[in-house]
Amino acid sequence: EEQVLESGGGLVQPGGSLRLSCAASGFTFNNRAMTWVRQAPGRGLEWVSTISGSGDTTFYADSVKGRFTISRDNSKNTLYLQMYSLRAEDTAVYYCARGGHRSFFDAWGQGTLVTVSS
Amino acid sequence: ETVLTQSPATLSLSPGERATLSCRASQSVSSYLAWYQQKPGQAPRLLIYDASNRATGVPARFSGSGSGTDFTLAISSLEPEDFAVYYCQQRSDWPRTFGQGTNVEIK
Repeated sequence: EEQVLESGGGLVQPGGSLRLSCAASGFTFNNRAMTWVRQAPGRGLEWVSTISGSGDTTFYADSVKGRFTISRDNSKNTLYLQMYSLRAEDTAVYYCARGGHRSFFDAWGQGTLVTVSS
Repeated sequence: ETVLTQSPATLSLSPGERATLSCRASQSVSSYLAWYQQKPGQAPRLLIYDASNRATGVPARFSGSGSGTDFTLAISSLEPEDFAVYYCQQRSDWPRTFGQGTNVEIK
């Protein structure tokens, strides 16, 4: 079964850092781009960042550019999102999704909640 | 940035009725448009990709149409499990963008 599973969410103070992970299984991980999408409480979906299958190409939303870094370890079938200088407006459920570069998001994790608050 | 505008914001219908949802792009996205379904407390699920192709396992009552700037998601006869929020999304350019969603609720 094709599956992605996020971890690493939690409560962090404004200005703090957090790293999210997404473990993939059931498909050839290095063949697929991967993406982070977030959803603030009661709000719609917001694309955050995409990385190519090889990891050599990355894309970011303007709202996170310079603060977030997407990366992947294809030997571990794992996607990461390193988040720095967190703000209250970064509070959201963060979803890991397969695809996003030359395809749509065809597999999603259950999400991990990041809360930025003092 | 390509802005996607969905209408209506809320659609109140009864089971068995037909639902028609609209997504309009601020510039042409060709056929690079998808539709997702999201139920409360769940992750989104891909329904339609490339404007008109059903994803694996999606029932035939869901259909997508359109190209360029105007797109439609139709649900031919609403089942109880279809009441949810639906989002459109484009992959024609960066940043990837979503519409604000249409809530299909039970009348």
